[in-house]
Amino acid sequence: NAGVTQTPKFQVLKTGQSMTLQCAQDMNHEYMSWYRQDPGMGLRLIHYSVGAGITDQGEVPNGYNVSRSTTEDFPLRLLSAAPSQTSVYFCASSYSIAGVSSYNSPLHFGNGTRLTVT
Amino acid sequence: GNSVTQMEGPVTLSEEAFLTINCTYTATGYPSLFWYVQYPGEGLQLLLKATKADDKGSNKGFEATYRKETTSFHLEKGSVQVSDSAVYFCALQGAQKLVFGQGTRLTINP
Repeated sequence: NAGVTQTPKFQVLKTGQSMTLQCAQDMNHEYMSWYRQDPGMGLRLIHYSVGAGITDQGEVPNGYNVSRSTTEDFPLRLLSAAPSQTSVYFCASSYSIAGVSSYNSPLHFGNGTRLTVT
Repeated sequence: GNSVTQMEGPVTLSEEAFLTINCTYTATGYPSLFWYVQYPGEGLQLLLKATKADDKGSNKGFEATYRKETTSFHLEKGSVQVSDSAVYFCALQGAQKLVFGQGTRLTINP
């Protein structure tokens, strides 16, 4: 009963370093997404995917890349970390975002990765 | 575009008090509306939802009614407990994504 698994839980990077935040789900969900959570700003969508091989940009995509080679995995890559990317990152998945109400499939969230860029 | 506005926090109440957290939205059409809750150190969990106007979502003593005329989805609970301390997010279903409000931190004192 793993659900959505994010690794690592915490990470400290220096400016300019690169890293990948991992996200995996075992619910055979088509839809996966990445949000960042910042104080006073709620959750903002970075990138999302409606199925393997398909990705699209959200509200704040700059500085982040994603790929979706399998249904289960949706990694988020920071190519050159900046202090403005200090945040808590959440991965979330759903059976189908377009039918989230009709399919009674809410968005399932991982427990987050807290990233600090110095 | 679609947007959600929540009452600013933090909100601090005593146990057994009545809770209201206001949420209003701007959207084209009539999107589904949600309340999510985030307990310390965890991800968000769906608390309740409503899919059409005048629907009432309810769970764990919390309720919210989808009001089309006032574009609102206020969260209420008649008697809060210490265990309700968390951050609450209002959200609406947009095209290919959920749009979240900024969150309201709720603290319940014994």
